[in-house]
Amino acid sequence: AQSVTQLDSHVSVSEGTPVLLRCNYSSSYSPSLFWYVQHPNKGLQLLLKYTSAATLVKGINGFEAEFKKSETSFHLTKPSAHMSDAAEYFCVVSASGTYKYIFGTGTRLKVLA
Amino acid sequence: DTAVSQTPKYLVTQMGNDKSIKCEQNLGHDTMYWYKQDSKKFLKIMFSYNNKELIINETVPNRFSPKSPDKAHLNLHINSLELGDSAVYFCASSRTWTSGPNEQFFGPGTRLTVL
Repeated sequence: AQSVTQLDSHVSVSEGTPVLLRCNYSSSYSPSLFWYVQHPNKGLQLLLKYTSAATLVKGINGFEAEFKKSETSFHLTKPSAHMSDAAEYFCVVSASGTYKYIFGTGTRLKVLA
Repeated sequence: DTAVSQTPKYLVTQMGNDKSIKCEQNLGHDTMYWYKQDSKKFLKIMFSYNNKELIINETVPNRFSPKSPDKAHLNLHINSLELGDSAVYFCASSRTWTSGPNEQFFGPGTRLTVL
């Protein structure tokens, strides 16, 4: 069985400060993990993915995430927030053979000027 | 060119009606999905097709019937619409899972409102 928990439903940061969005996962199989972003009234766009290669994954727009098996975590970070980063972020877990993607409940990121 | 497109973008209808949402992808992908996003932004998979064959059918009322006429299209037909069907429905596609899960590409969504 697989599940994913996004620990914060809302995160507020000031422009130019670091962003940390937390995600913990559970998987009976070797997981693949994804972060997607959804801007208001838009579809979802992939930020980055982990599929058992390097544990530190770099994505688009300066985002990165680190896979930590011992902590079953895949937190998303960015060194400096931009106003355009304000959106909903989803952590997703999947595994070979399941054909399913399990979405977290989302974290709404607010960036303050 | 739009990679994954959905029509219509908005759909407002009365309870009890039957409606369809269409999805097309021009990425050459073999796998397509339907998701439902509720008012709290929770995304749940409904169906998945691979090469026109149904591979995932979650606990969705049988009023919902997906149809895949070819690999590039996955339509969703909903009979006897209920208030609880109001949501945003997303179509997505990905390459076949030959070596594990692949990136999904999402359409812009169809906002369904049942009155």
